[in-house]
Amino acid sequence: EIVMTQSPATLSVSPGERATLSCRASQSVSSNLAWYQQKPGQAPRLLIYGASTRATGIPARFSGSGSGTEFTLTISSLQSEDFAVYYCQQYNNWPALTFGGGTKVEIK
Amino acid sequence: QVQLVQSGAEVKKSGASVKVSCKASGYTFTSYYITWVRQAPGQGLEWMGWISAYNGNTNYAQKLQGRVTMTTDTSTSTAYMELRSLRSDDTAVYYCTRSSDYGDLPHWGQGTLVTVSS
Repeated sequence: EIVMTQSPATLSVSPGERATLSCRASQSVSSNLAWYQQKPGQAPRLLIYGASTRATGIPARFSGSGSGTEFTLTISSLQSEDFAVYYCQQYNNWPALTFGGGTKVEIK
Repeated sequence: QVQLVQSGAEVKKSGASVKVSCKASGYTFTSYYITWVRQAPGQGLEWMGWISAYNGNTNYAQKLQGRVTMTTDTSTSTAYMELRSLRSDDTAVYYCTRSSDYGDLPHWGQGTLVTVSS
């Protein structure tokens, strides 16, 4: 099983600042990585797939980078609606999928 | 637009079974996989497995093998997830999702809370 490790567990950021979230895979997943945002009481929402492609309707302030085992989600200027939990997910090891443990982005 | 509408919350006793439904619309049901994901209270996301709506092929997470069954009814575009021998640690919100062609999950149901009590 491919293990996905996200860091930090919690990130405290002020509105308007940049947030950088990390995701590491225990073995290469190529570019088969997605990022999701989840707010309390809601289903996750796909932000990024293919490591760097924004999903439909996702603002340009969200960007993804990386390949192999190291990945980053960057939120260039945090808006109030961006405070949430973010998960990475690998789908290189299809048919088995795995998620990271999540990073909570909170208001500083 | 793609919609996945799940059945309502359930409360079950330990040892019982639960069956959650997921009705799909807005796309050709048999062209995609349905993937099930669960989330225990305050915890992260856990992949449970998937089913091909085209031919019924399934793949389950190893930890759930023997307790979970995923099925589809193509006549109603509905997917089902049954979990048996429920334990307290099965208490979670269960989501159905429609995979893309590659394995990311762009479409999610609203979630179904299953509470297991002793």
